Amino acid sequence: AQSVTQPDARVTVSEGASLQLRCKYSYFGTPYLFWYVQYPRQGLQLLLKYYPGDPVVQGVNGFEAEFSKSNSSFHLRKASVHWSDWAVYFCAVSSNTGGLSGKLTFGEGTQVTVIS
Amino acid sequence: EAAVTQSPRSKVAVTGGKVTLSCHQTNNHDYMYWYRQDTGHGLRLIHYSYVADSTEKGDIPDGYKASRPSQENFSLILELASLSQTAVYFCASTRQGAENTEVFFGKGTRLTVV
Repeated sequence: AQSVTQPDARVTVSEGASLQLRCKYSYFGTPYLFWYVQYPRQGLQLLLKYYPGDPVVQGVNGFEAEFSKSNSSFHLRKASVHWSDWAVYFCAVSSNTGGLSGKLTFGEGTQVTVIS
Repeated sequence: EAAVTQSPRSKVAVTGGKVTLSCHQTNNHDYMYWYRQDTGHGLRLIHYSYVADSTEKGDIPDGYKASRPSQENFSLILELASLSQTAVYFCASTRQGAENTEVFFGKGTRLTVV
């Protein structure tokens, strides 16, 4: 069965500093991978997605992620954090069977707190 | 813009009562999903549907039923609500058969069972 692990439940970062959020996945075959952000009392918004191809994917608001098959990882990065990045970030994996990409398996999430 | 609308946005239900959560999408998507989120955790799939009048079990279907009366509408039904079903519920939709497609989420329904 597929699974996602986000080892850091909480991360605190200074505004303007860089950010890395870790994600490890378990999936038989080639996965589709996603990072979502959830702002307080809001739904999930897609930051970026990986489909087989270039291992580095660019997302919105300056986020990027790198896929590593050898490490079973899909870490999220941002060079300079803004206070508006204060949110919960979820890594997710889905089936690559056509039409079932909405069957997502989520990690537990990482709460990012931005301090000045 | 793709839209998934959930109603109600918040509900308090009594233990043993019946609860219906509704979801409406205007995306013309074939697939719809119901997820639940517990405080401090990720989302888990309850039920999904790929066509009207048909539903499938997800990873945690026990205690829930689903109904897809039309392509646009997908309901989640708790026949006998229990305290353990207190959570935030999200509906989502996506297109059929397309690998490179985005999943669109609603804003969620906060359910409190007392």
